[in-house]
Amino acid sequence: DIVMTQSPATLSVSPGESATLSCRASQSISFNLAWYQQIPGQAPRLLIYDASTRATGIPARFSGSGSGTEFTLTISGLQSEDFAVYSCQQYNNWPQTFGQGTKVEIK
Amino acid sequence: EVQLVQSRAEVRKPGESLRISCKGSGYTFSYYWIAWVRQMPGKGLEWIGIIYPGDSDTRYNPSFQGQVTMSADKSINTAYLRWHSLEASDTAIYYCARPLDSGSHYFYWGQGTLVTVSS
Repeated sequence: DIVMTQSPATLSVSPGESATLSCRASQSISFNLAWYQQIPGQAPRLLIYDASTRATGIPARFSGSGSGTEFTLTISGLQSEDFAVYSCQQYNNWPQTFGQGTKVEIK
Repeated sequence: EVQLVQSRAEVRKPGESLRISCKGSGYTFSYYWIAWVRQMPGKGLEWIGIIYPGDSDTRYNPSFQGQVTMSADKSINTAYLRWHSLEASDTAIYYCARPLDSGSHYFYWGQGTLVTVSS
């Protein structure tokens, strides 16, 4: 299975600042990567797919980049509703796999 | 409006069986894959597998093969996840999810079903 490693595990950010989250795949997955946001007690919400395409209704402050094995999710100008856990998912190979998540918390 | 509505929380004893459900509405249920995803307490997401309700074609994560069974009844727009013999380690929230169109990234999610297995 492809292992998805996210860093850091926790990121402390002040509102209005930017956050950069990383996701690394154990082998190349081309652009077949998605990012999800999960607020405690809620289902995941798709933010980005195909590494850099924003899903319907996702604000422009969320952006994704990368290919192959290295990927980044950037959140510009963090708002209160952005403090959550973010997970990456690869769908290049079966079985699909997720990273363990990065918690973005208020500094 | 596309919706996936899952069955309520369940509490079972080890060794018992269980089936949880995911009912789709607002779209042609037969035409889209449905995925099942597990989230153990305080942990990340794990992909269990997917099912195509149109013909019940299934793809399992080998880690879950033999542990759970996916099925679907397209006549009532419902997908199922079943256990024959639960273990305490099956305690988790289980989500069903659907892609927006094609692809394997999931835009629509059910609200989750909490399964608690405890003696």
